[in-house]
Amino acid sequence: AQSVAQPEDQVNVAEGNPLTVKCTYSVSGNPYLFWYVQYPNRGLQFLLKYITGDNLVKGSYGFEAEFNKSQTSFHLKKPSALVSDSALYFCAVRDVYGDSNYQLIWGAGTKLIIKP
Amino acid sequence: DTEVTQTPKHLVMGMTNKKSLKCEQHMGHRAMYWYKQKAKKPPELMFVYSYEKLSINESVPSRFSPECPNSSLLNLHLHALQPEDSALYLCASSQDLGGGYSSGNTIYFGEGSWLTVV
Repeated sequence: AQSVAQPEDQVNVAEGNPLTVKCTYSVSGNPYLFWYVQYPNRGLQFLLKYITGDNLVKGSYGFEAEFNKSQTSFHLKKPSALVSDSALYFCAVRDVYGDSNYQLIWGAGTKLIIKP
Repeated sequence: DTEVTQTPKHLVMGMTNKKSLKCEQHMGHRAMYWYKQKAKKPPELMFVYSYEKLSINESVPSRFSPECPNSSLLNLHLHALQPEDSALYLCASSQDLGGGYSSGNTIYFGEGSWLTVV
């Protein structure tokens, strides 16, 4: 079965420190990987995606993510956290040639708290 | 800023009411989606329209009725809802439905409509 795991319900980071939000996936075929962020009482905002090419992808608000095929991971990173980064982060995957390739398979979400 | 616009932002309705949620996008996208999201949970896909035709219905109860009047607009008609239907309803769009390389098309979400059923 296809699945996405975000092993941490919550991540706490001090402002200015680097942050990592973890994501691992299990799909039978080739994955396309996405990160979305949801600020309190807001909709989902697209951050970045991996389709092909360079394993390190850069996205909005200074975020980046590294695709690691051998570890089936796509961790979200930022070198220096801001208080305004506090939000709920979702990892999602699409199986390129799967029967349900219209479908995003979502992780459970990780709440990121940046403390001043 | 999102280019998917949803109205209303908040809606309170009784269980016997009929109401509608509206969504509009001007990105020329040909796939449009309705999702339901409960607090702090990932969104759940409800319906998918591709080229203005209903392509996917994820076994959603008939009290939810989608409509796609044209390529830019998507409605969700609500009737006889239950309190457990209270949630954030998100509209989204993408270039097309996906499949092969198109599966890399980004799905863009609106700000959502907060629905409370009393």
